[in-house]
Amino acid sequence: DAGVTQSPTHLIKTRGQHVTLRCSPISGHKSVSWYQQVLGQGPQFIFQYYEKEERGRGNFPDRFSARQFPNYSSELNVNALLLGDSALYLCASSFAGTGGISPLHFGNGTRLTVT
Amino acid sequence: AQTVTQSQPEMSVQEAETVTLSCTYDTSENNYYLFWYKQPPSRQMILVIRQEAYKQQNATENRFSVNFQKAAKSFSLKISDSQLGDTAMYFCAFMKPGLYNQGGKLIFGQGTELSVKP
Repeated sequence: DAGVTQSPTHLIKTRGQHVTLRCSPISGHKSVSWYQQVLGQGPQFIFQYYEKEERGRGNFPDRFSARQFPNYSSELNVNALLLGDSALYLCASSFAGTGGISPLHFGNGTRLTVT
Repeated sequence: AQTVTQSQPEMSVQEAETVTLSCTYDTSENNYYLFWYKQPPSRQMILVIRQEAYKQQNATENRFSVNFQKAAKSFSLKISDSQLGDTAMYFCAFMKPGLYNQGGKLIFGQGTELSVKP
């Protein structure tokens, strides 16, 4: 089975531009989360979507937005890019349901560089 | 708010030996989950082991085991018979279940970079 896939793998943008990152979850997974990992730090939670609705939001500015589509894939959008947005952006999916937590499965991430 | 602390930025171990990575956390919740994730240079975050807070028995997965001390809010990872492929950044993470049991947000520690030397 295919794992979580993210595109693109690398991206270089200029300050002030807009970027869209994409994520396809594991088949059958309905929950998608986004994380930002700055070099040398642990990932920071940005958003969680479940059944196409936002279920959680981290401490990030309104320049960050996301959505989940009917096929459960997801996009993360960042407007007015700043140098500090340079990071590895990780997408994770999980199978949601009763009976306890299923762990998050992560993609390989998108490396965003803002110049 | 929950926090996760890993006090060892770097560690090294000889191949075939045992190493323990430390993690402490702070929460007022009674029901939660703890995880250790491994991130090799390939960047993918890989689940190593998980522990449910309501379970007293420590989780084990082959060469990996945890020492979960709920009262002390401590969650250390022991790697036995270390292998070169264990070289990676290791993250401790906390999760409070979401309303719909859909997997709430993970709160990560700062990471411990483990080097296994031949």
